[in-house]
Amino acid sequence: DAKTTQPPSMDCAEGRAANLPCNHSTISGNEYVYWYRQIHSQGPQYIIHGLKNNETNEMASLIITEDRKSSTLILPHATLRDTAVYYCIVRVAGGAQKLVFGQGTRLTINP
Amino acid sequence: GAVVSQHPSRVICKSGTSVKIECRSLDFQATTMFWYRQFPKQSLMLMATSNEGSKATYEQGVEKDKFLINHASLTLSTLTVTSAHPEDSSFYICSARVSGSSPEQFFGPGTRLTVL
Repeated sequence: DAKTTQPPSMDCAEGRAANLPCNHSTISGNEYVYWYRQIHSQGPQYIIHGLKNNETNEMASLIITEDRKSSTLILPHATLRDTAVYYCIVRVAGGAQKLVFGQGTRLTINP
Repeated sequence: GAVVSQHPSRVICKSGTSVKIECRSLDFQATTMFWYRQFPKQSLMLMATSNEGSKATYEQGVEKDKFLINHASLTLSTLTVTSAHPEDSSFYICSARVSGSSPEQFFGPGTRLTVL
């Protein structure tokens, strides 16, 4: 699976949009981009995933660049409960489907 | 989303004892479950992939005789830490993949193991 690069930490004001970048320059054509987050001392929570089109769900939006070498997770109106470590993972949809976690981005939402 | 539970949520044991952790998919069937370990301030590290009715596949560096995995049904996988030592103290997390074509994995709440 392709490796990803994320900033180690970010801050965002409550109520503002949080934009979390992820670089995955070696992504293959059949690899998806997944985002999970982990709130302190809990199991990771699935947020969203996409292949090449932008995606949106009730939690977030995922913007993937045209060359697919990077993506941005957008939390439109961040709340204090969004404080967590956010992981960007790329992998193929089939096969063993194991997730390989990097170090992620520690997002802190400030009041 | 689908719900995955773990039991116990927290366990403290003496060095040399064995500890069993259960991972259950509550409202779906999971042909594949995964076990992770997470040390403080570190990311999750995949330990093994557990397939129902077959032997688990362990990641490089993970001792299969120390971390016994059993996936006897489509809703239950167990991880047994045998002869636990203080260095095995960690946060153990399981995840389950919904059977079929869905690529999503759902994670349990984790089990915090402390070995004295």
